[in-house]
Amino acid sequence: AQKITQTQPGMFVQEKEAVTLDCTYDTSDQSYGLFWYKQPSSGEMIFLIYQGSYDEQNATEGRYSLNFQKARKSANLVISASQLGDSAMYFCAMREGPDTGGFKTIFGAGTRLFVKA
Amino acid sequence: GAVVSQHPSWVICKSGTSVKIECRSLDFQATTMFWYRQFPKQSLMLMATSNEGSKATYEQGVEKDKFLINHASLTLSTLTVTSAHPEDSSFYICSAPTGLAEGTQYFGPGTRLTVL
Repeated sequence: AQKITQTQPGMFVQEKEAVTLDCTYDTSDQSYGLFWYKQPSSGEMIFLIYQGSYDEQNATEGRYSLNFQKARKSANLVISASQLGDSAMYFCAMREGPDTGGFKTIFGAGTRLFVKA
Repeated sequence: GAVVSQHPSWVICKSGTSVKIECRSLDFQATTMFWYRQFPKQSLMLMATSNEGSKATYEQGVEKDKFLINHASLTLSTLTVTSAHPEDSSFYICSAPTGLAEGTQYFGPGTRLTVL
């Protein structure tokens, strides 16, 4: 069975500093995808970044980068130059199977990030 | 703008009544949609996969007779919570695949259900 583990229920970071949110996963699939989503207090789910299991380079999207360590089955999110607006819940997620639209995505427990001014 | 809509955005109902939540894909077709439930300060738990033209696939532990899913068209999936009870109070979110290679999802804005 698939599993996503986020061990940090809450994290604090000073504004303008970088922060790493941890995520480990467990799957027997060879082909899978890893995602990070942000959920502000409004409840909407905002897609941040994606890493495919066959991607050799770490994904980056602006201030977000994904530290993908396949052998360790970890997919940590790094947010650089934190902003007050980054305060939110962050979910690591995994899509089973190859890159087709019909495969379900499961989510970790989430990490609440607090950015301090 | 939003590509997946949900209606209603919130609903309050009495215990024992049934509530229908709609999930619509805007400007694109979705043969598959997903329904999630999120309790306060918890993660999104996948309830079921809604398949256009066929029966939904429910996750283990989800009562299919209580959470009825109908995917009647390529742009609409509905979740009906039958005989709702206070423990069904939750945030219900639907999503649809974007169709992009990585399999990202467009998420609806969610529906907050409160059962009195």
